[in-house]
Amino acid sequence: FMLTQPHSVSESPGKTVIISCTGISGSIATNYVQWYQQRPGSAPTTVIYEDNRRPSGVPDRFSGSIDHSSNSASLIISGLKTEDEADYYCQSLDSSNDWVFGGGTKLTVL
Amino acid sequence: EVQLVESGGDLVQFGGSLRLSCAASGFAFSRYEMNWVRQAPEKGLEWVSHISSSGNSIYYADSGKGRFTISRDNAKNSLYLQMNSLRDEDTAVYYCARAAAGTVYWFDSWGQGTLVTVSS
Repeated sequence: FMLTQPHSVSESPGKTVIISCTGISGSIATNYVQWYQQRPGSAPTTVIYEDNRRPSGVPDRFSGSIDHSSNSASLIISGLKTEDEADYYCQSLDSSNDWVFGGGTKLTVL
Repeated sequence: EVQLVESGGDLVQFGGSLRLSCAASGFAFSRYEMNWVRQAPEKGLEWVSHISSSGNSIYYADSGKGRFTISRDNAKNSLYLQMNSLRDEDTAVYYCARAAAGTVYWFDSWGQGTLVTVSS
C-alpha cells in the first residue's frame, strides 16, 4: 500500500486549495489518514489526524476528508495565508501496519 | 511543554556505525510509544522504526531491518537508534517522533532532527 500526492500546488492568498492523497494497492479507508505540515528548515507538525480532526492550535481553515469513490484523502486549506506555504505530507498505515507517508506536496502561496 | 531533542548525528564512512539519541522531557515518556522518522536531503519523510512504551514491541522498515536497532531507557527518558553497516542512502535528517496518546498510528510531537551523513 502506498500513498501518492501531487508534487506541487499553488494558489493565491485568500483562496482555497485542496491537496490530494491517493491510496495505491489498498483502500484509503482501511486506516486513518493524517496530514503533516513542514515549513522550510523545520520539523513536521500535525495539522489533521484521524482523517478530519484538528489538533489544538490548528486553525479551522484546515480540514480533511476521505473520498471512498476515488480512494483518496484530501487536505483542504481555506483562506490561504502566506504562512501556509510549506510541504504537506499525508500518512497512514499499510497492510503490514507499518507507517507510510505520501511523497509530499509543495504548496506555494503566491 | 513536550520536548524531543535528538543528538548523535555525524559524518560517518560507508559501512560505519552511529548511535542516535533522543532526550524527552515535558511528558510521561514511559507511557508513550516512540518512533524514528528520517528525511533524505530534498526528499520526503520515511518511517524508520517504532518501539512500544515498554520496549517489548519493536518494528522496522525494510530499509533498516538487520542493520538498525531501536531501544529506550524509560528511567532516563531517552530513545535510541543504533545504526550499523551504514550506506549512502541512509544519509538523512533523523527525527524522533512521539505517537499520540492511546494510539500508535500517528505522530503528535517531533524533535528538530539530527543529521547523519554517510560518506563513501
